[in-house]
Amino acid sequence: GESVGLHLPTLSVQEGDNSIINCAYSNSASDYFIWYKQESGKGPQFIIDIRSNMDKRQGQRVTVLLNKTVKHLSLQIAATQPGDSAVYFCAENGAGNAGNMLTFGGGTRLMVKP
Amino acid sequence: DAGVTQSPTHLIKTRGQHVTLRCSPISGHKSVSWYQQVLGQGPQFIFQYYEKEERGRGNFPDRFSARQFPNYSSELNVNALLLGDSALYLCASSLGPGGGTEAFFGQGTRLTVV
Repeated sequence: GESVGLHLPTLSVQEGDNSIINCAYSNSASDYFIWYKQESGKGPQFIIDIRSNMDKRQGQRVTVLLNKTVKHLSLQIAATQPGDSAVYFCAENGAGNAGNMLTFGGGTRLMVKP
Repeated sequence: DAGVTQSPTHLIKTRGQHVTLRCSPISGHKSVSWYQQVLGQGPQFIFQYYEKEERGRGNFPDRFSARQFPNYSSELNVNALLLGDSALYLCASSLGPGGGTEAFFGQGTRLTVV
């Protein structure tokens, strides 16, 4: 079946550097994408979303880029902090799916070194 | 305002038993979804409910069932538990069922089947 996946399972960065987490999706009908952050023992926390009619969206210290041509999604975190250490998931909602019927990727663990 | 609340937080059951997990959505949210997250993987969609009706179902056996109550809270039931049902069960709520609606997750219920 169609799925959302990630290129790298673990990313280690130095505090203060920028982080880039990548995600590939296969469902060309997907029209809504979300990045979630999940800390140990907690549920996923919404970070930022983007709709398919956009290619870039910025939040506080985070930017999501969407390349529909190659079906690729990325999350950029500026000035990475120790509190950013967590597992990051991309998720997609295909056209026609129920609002929170999300398909998640496998996750990337971000480790921030002090 | 309270976020999505789930109970219990942890649960240990024996193979063959039945379990009921509970979720209260954010006030004003009418849609609830359930996800299963096996250790080291992304959440997998189980069910979505909106206005007490099932709106979506993932690829899970009939041992899994759910319902939504008039106050929009929800229960997930799993019969004849298997060892492989051990996972974090997440509930997500959103305003409605439409695509592109932000979903908020609870902390989850950690189910261990022995």
